[in-house]
Amino acid sequence: QKEVEQNSGPLSVPEGAIASLNCTYSDRGSQSFFWYRQYSGKSPELIMFIYSNGDKEDGRFTAQLNKASQYVSLLIRDSQPSDSATYLCAATTGGFKTIFGAGTRLFVKA
Amino acid sequence: DAGVIQSPRHEVTEMGQEVTLRCKPISGHNSLFWYRQTMMRGLELLIYFNNNVPIDDSGMPEDRFSAKMPNASFSTLKIQPSEPRDSAVYFCASTHPIANTGELFFGEGSRLTVL
Repeated sequence: QKEVEQNSGPLSVPEGAIASLNCTYSDRGSQSFFWYRQYSGKSPELIMFIYSNGDKEDGRFTAQLNKASQYVSLLIRDSQPSDSATYLCAATTGGFKTIFGAGTRLFVKA
Repeated sequence: DAGVIQSPRHEVTEMGQEVTLRCKPISGHNSLFWYRQTMMRGLELLIYFNNNVPIDDSGMPEDRFSAKMPNASFSTLKIQPSEPRDSAVYFCASTHPIANTGELFFGEGSRLTVL
């Protein structure tokens, strides 16, 4: 079992809709959780991080964390074609070791 | 400020040859990570360093892979001998775990093709 699991997709949503991306992790010692976006041929870049249970909002993005269920999600409101990318979920454990999921490909149709 | 700098950006080599990938982290960052990305396996952590000391190398595939960080501003990942299955994009990332809340800053990657 991979330490961080994501549905590889692709997830396709129409422009203006809400895109929902999900992630589970196996290590209960994981402390912080991150969502990175990676455009084709580019390096990952951070969208959001979260380390407390509940929701965290930043503009059109909302990250949700449920440590009891070992579940992290990312909601993208008012999706735009420019949001089309691969979204990587990551978790850190002791010593700041950062493990990534395989990523979910998102397509936003204009 | 300059970001994480990796070289070479592209490397094509033949099976059996030695490959050395280089990384210069962001100044002031004291943690450095080497990842490998393929379509099949995603972004895999190979090794990471804190204050130039290797902390966890459990992701290094086999003895053909080695990594060093002789000082705070330079790291290398070496593959000897290289094999076609080593073909991938290799990313270096750095962070200051406290100052950056663990956010990783990635270089542009080194795309390795082993024929």
